[in-house]
Amino acid sequence: SQQGEEDPQALSIQEGENATMNCSYKTSINNLQWYRQNSGRGLVHLILIRSNEREKHSGRLRVTLDTSKKSSSLLITASRAADTASYFCATLRVDDYKLSFGAGTTVTVRA
Amino acid sequence: IAGITQAPTSQILAAGRRMTLRCTQDMRHNAMYWYRQDLGLGLRLIHYSNTAGTTGKGEVPDGYSVSRANTDDFPLTLASAVPSQTSVYFCASSDGPQGTQYFGPGTRLLVL
Repeated sequence: SQQGEEDPQALSIQEGENATMNCSYKTSINNLQWYRQNSGRGLVHLILIRSNEREKHSGRLRVTLDTSKKSSSLLITASRAADTASYFCATLRVDDYKLSFGAGTTVTVRA
Repeated sequence: IAGITQAPTSQILAAGRRMTLRCTQDMRHNAMYWYRQDLGLGLRLIHYSNTAGTTGKGEVPDGYSVSRANTDDFPLTLASAVPSQTSVYFCASSDGPQGTQYFGPGTRLLVL
């Protein structure tokens, strides 16, 4: 069964605004990863945060992880039209080292 | 080359037919995976291989089989396709089970 759940399911923002999406999961994890999928394309890895890390940055991306609440957030700052995509969180479970994906958040950035 | 390639890009298949989806990677990654993506459900793992010569079952393995004869190739076979196997199929690879996964462009399969 799916481990992660993203919230919200969909998000529409103006170019230049920040976009925040959340991910909750159920079991203990080794790491949590965020992926982006443009319409009709494969997934592209964005960032990985390990279970012993609390925050990580990569360019305009900021990821936080709270293992006590079993939740993570992805912040995209100063959004651009090219950020329009679906974003998925994926958790690497400690019991079998398999990635479990959520259903994703669809982000639309309006010009 | 291109990382991971998948073939075909899309396919319409009659129910009951046999079909093999191909996946090739040129990154010399040990681990490879097959996922299916259905609307509203995200990606679900079908089968995986941690290294050449070994395979394992994922979350939704029924109706599918895989083989891993070498490092580069990881074909997925539907022995007798059913309409519920209509989906988008993604192949992925990683250097190890804890690492970043790299995805192919996907195969869109319609079973009628």
